[in-house]
Amino acid sequence: EAQVTQNPRYLITVTGKKLTVTCSQNMNHEYMSWYRQDPGLGLRQIYYSMNVEVTDKGDVPEGYKVSRKEKRNFPLILESPSPNQTSLYFCASSDLYQGVKDQFFGPGTRLTVL
Amino acid sequence: AQSVTQPDIHITVSEGASLELRCNYSYGATPYLFWYVQSPGQGLQLLLKYFSGDTLVQGIKGFEAEFKRSQSSFNLRKPSVHWSDAAEYFCAVSYSGAGSYQLTFGKGTKLSVIP
Repeated sequence: EAQVTQNPRYLITVTGKKLTVTCSQNMNHEYMSWYRQDPGLGLRQIYYSMNVEVTDKGDVPEGYKVSRKEKRNFPLILESPSPNQTSLYFCASSDLYQGVKDQFFGPGTRLTVL
Repeated sequence: AQSVTQPDIHITVSEGASLELRCNYSYGATPYLFWYVQSPGQGLQLLLKYFSGDTLVQGIKGFEAEFKRSQSSFNLRKPSVHWSDAAEYFCAVSYSGAGSYQLTFGKGTKLSVIP
C-alpha cells in the first residue's frame, strides 16, 4: 500500500530537549516536504527536498533542521524546541517532474512543547 | 513570493444547496493548482488538481474546479452538498519550471453543513 508514515503521532516534550520526527515513504518519490498547521494559518512549508542530499527552506524554517540521506526518509529535527513550535506537523511526498505534483500526506504528528 | 488567498474563513450551507469556495493565487506563468480536504482530526486528501489543458477539472466526491487565468482564480464547486462534506478545504499552488519547488497553501475555508 502506498503511504507516508510519520512517527511519533503524538509527542509532549519540554523546552530545549532535542527531538526528531521521522517520515518515510514507499512510493520512490523524489520530493518530500514538511509542513506545520496552526489554527487560522493553514499549512506552512518548513523545508522541502528535491532528492537525496538536496534540501531547501520553505516559508518557516527557523528552529528546524532536516536531512535527506536516503530517498525514502526525511526526518525533521528540532534541536532546541520552544513552545511556539507546538503545532500539528505533516510530512508529504510526491513525484517531481517540471514542478511539484500532487502530494501524499502522512497522518500528522501533534507536538506539544511545554 | 507566491501566495494563495482563500477569502472566506467559514461558510455555512444547507444540505442539498450548491457550494462555491473561492481561491486566488499570485501571478505565475504556469501554476499547478490543487484543492485538498481535511476532515476533523484527519490528514489531507487531494480532491482535484490542475496542471494544464481543460480549465474545468473534475475531482472526487462530486467536486469540480475551474481555472481562470485572467482572474488568477481556481474556485471549487459542488452542485449539491452532503452533510459528510463538512470539513476544512485548502487551496494550494506551485509553479512549473526550474527552481520552483515550493508549495504554498491558503489558510483554509471551514465548511459547515446544516441538515
